[in-house]
Amino acid sequence: DTEVTQTPKHLVMGMTNKKSLKCEQHMGHRAMYWYKQKAKKPPELMFVYSYEKLSINESVPSRFSPECPNSSLLNLHLHALQPEDSALYLCASSQAHREKLFFGSGTQLSVL
Amino acid sequence: GENVEQHPSTLSVQEGDSAVIKCTYSDSASNYFPWYKQELGKGPQLIIDIRSNVGEKKDQRIAVTLNKTAKHFSLHITETQPEDSAVYFCAANSGYALNFGKGTSLLVTP
Repeated sequence: DTEVTQTPKHLVMGMTNKKSLKCEQHMGHRAMYWYKQKAKKPPELMFVYSYEKLSINESVPSRFSPECPNSSLLNLHLHALQPEDSALYLCASSQAHREKLFFGSGTQLSVL
Repeated sequence: GENVEQHPSTLSVQEGDSAVIKCTYSDSASNYFPWYKQELGKGPQLIIDIRSNVGEKKDQRIAVTLNKTAKHFSLHITETQPEDSAVYFCAANSGYALNFGKGTSLLVTP
């Protein structure tokens, strides 16, 4: 199984809503990542978890709150987002940092 | 992170022709160079990668070459097919993560 599964695939939310994005992998990978991707741009790193601990936060606004409940799951909690936060949010995992990332299909988020 | 430059930004080829995408990187400590293919509405998919102790790697119709001295690496797709149409990203490891190039939109016309 080389799959990273993300739910939901699409999400529309208002600026006052609270929602969560979910990610799951069963490859035994110990590093998990959240990326944000705008149309026609490369993925931008947001957060890195290593062995279930947050190791990197790329100066992401506090309206994005990551959580790693266990080694297979990664969540991204969203609250009071802005329209400019509309993007494709990608989860990825890897056996080790900086190597062979496997991406999920992403959640296409629209903030109204 | 350190820069990864990718060219061209768009590439159109006829089916059966070859396509070449080039990237340069700036961090001399980078030692892992993957290539990703991203189709519309999907996440990036790893298609081939190369480590710094190897100069070339091939997998069927795709190959990657690396010149560590010049700090550049290239993706070569031979006998292109319409299903090769997608956005391709190169990347290099640097610091704690991968740095991505800006992407190349490849269109293969029948």
